[in-house]
Amino acid sequence: EVQLVQSGAEVKKPGESLRISCKGSGYSFTSFWIIWVRQMPGKGLEWMARIDPSDSYTDYSPSFQGHVTISADHSISTAYLQWSSLKASDTAMYFCARRIAVAGGAVDWFDPWGQGTLVTVSS
Amino acid sequence: QSVLTQPPSASGTPGQRVTISCSGSSSNIGNNTVNWYQQLPGTAPKLLLYTNNQRPSGVPDRFSGSKSGTSASLAISGLQSEDEADYYCAAWDDSLNGYVFGTGTKVTVL
Repeated sequence: EVQLVQSGAEVKKPGESLRISCKGSGYSFTSFWIIWVRQMPGKGLEWMARIDPSDSYTDYSPSFQGHVTISADHSISTAYLQWSSLKASDTAMYFCARRIAVAGGAVDWFDPWGQGTLVTVSS
Repeated sequence: QSVLTQPPSASGTPGQRVTISCSGSSSNIGNNTVNWYQQLPGTAPKLLLYTNNQRPSGVPDRFSGSKSGTSASLAISGLQSEDEADYYCAAWDDSLNGYVFGTGTKVTVL
């Protein structure tokens, strides 16, 4: 079974650093990009960034560029999302998902999704 | 900010047909395929339809999708109580050089 399992909920203070993880299993981890999506409380989905685990090439949404960093360790089939200095406004649920691409990458979709990691930032 | 616009809510009685629209532009829906995701309360999103109208294995044929120009739509026929969820459209945007999601539609079964 293809699945993505994310790390557990985190409670942090403003200014602290954090790294959350997303571990893939049941498929070749380096054959599919991983994407990260934010969902703030009671709000919709926002695409944050994507990474190619085979070479760690990354793409960021302008809204998140410079505030988060994504990475991957293909030796343990795990992708990461990290912050160096959290803000209260980073409080949200974060999802990872596997990107399936066909037609040379021109057509793609996300499946499956991780269960989500709730990050709470509060003083 | 979402660049794909959906109605905030939709509802119907069991057995009815519900349609959700997703309005975009030439840089996203007009030039790329649309996917739909279902998010049941308190759970992660799940792929519902891909490449405009393709159903993954396990998704009931009550769910169907279409695309025309810069708009797409999701139809649920034979509405069931377990269909109560939030539904999101999504597409790649050539101008933003990134993925965009719809504003989301909450479906209520009356």
